[in-house]
Amino acid sequence: SAVISQKPSRDICQRGTSLTIQCQVDSQVTMMFWYRQQPGQSLTLIATANQGSEATYESGFVIDKFPISRPNLTFSTLTVSNMSPEDSSIYLCSVPQGVDYGYTFGSGTRLTVV
Amino acid sequence: KNQVEQSPQSLIILEGKNCTLQCNYTVSPFSNLRWYKQDTGRGPVSLTIMTFSENTKSNRRYTATLDADTKQSSLHITASQLSDSASYICVVSEGFQKLVFGTGTRLLVSP
Repeated sequence: SAVISQKPSRDICQRGTSLTIQCQVDSQVTMMFWYRQQPGQSLTLIATANQGSEATYESGFVIDKFPISRPNLTFSTLTVSNMSPEDSSIYLCSVPQGVDYGYTFGSGTRLTVV
Repeated sequence: KNQVEQSPQSLIILEGKNCTLQCNYTVSPFSNLRWYKQDTGRGPVSLTIMTFSENTKSNRRYTATLDADTKQSSLHITASQLSDSASYICVVSEGFQKLVFGTGTRLLVSP
């Protein structure tokens, strides 16, 4: 299965600032997914990032708040903009591995906004 | 509304004991169901995947069951080890791509 390198693993940020999270995959994948996992909650899909086109955002998430880049088939970034304490969560990227293998997830970025 | 509910929310067991985690879902159309293990501070790792026609699947000390009629699944852990302490997440695929996540069961294996 694919191996995903996600950075940073954690960060503490001041409110009003922005943080960019990176995911590097060791193989080419068409689709990459970005999730948020709030404390004690399940994963919520933020957006789907396709190479060569704009990301598709889920209800409740907007590009101005969570801009995504997908410059090639092995890399993507998610930026959390103008952060507030409510943005404190774990952010994860994920790639599909086919029906038999499910999805591979990055190790996550634990964000705390103070 | 498509939902995945897991129980119990948390569980503490002694090392070496067995336990069973439950997952009920109302997702339609159903494609498959996966159990993931998420260690603290890490991303989820797939344990097993169940399709509509499969009733039981084992992966080392993990055995998953699926009853598609009652829309229930269980994950049985045999001879628990300290390293089994983690959150276990039930994830149901709605159609080909959309995933519906449960809130997880937090398992603590105590020595």
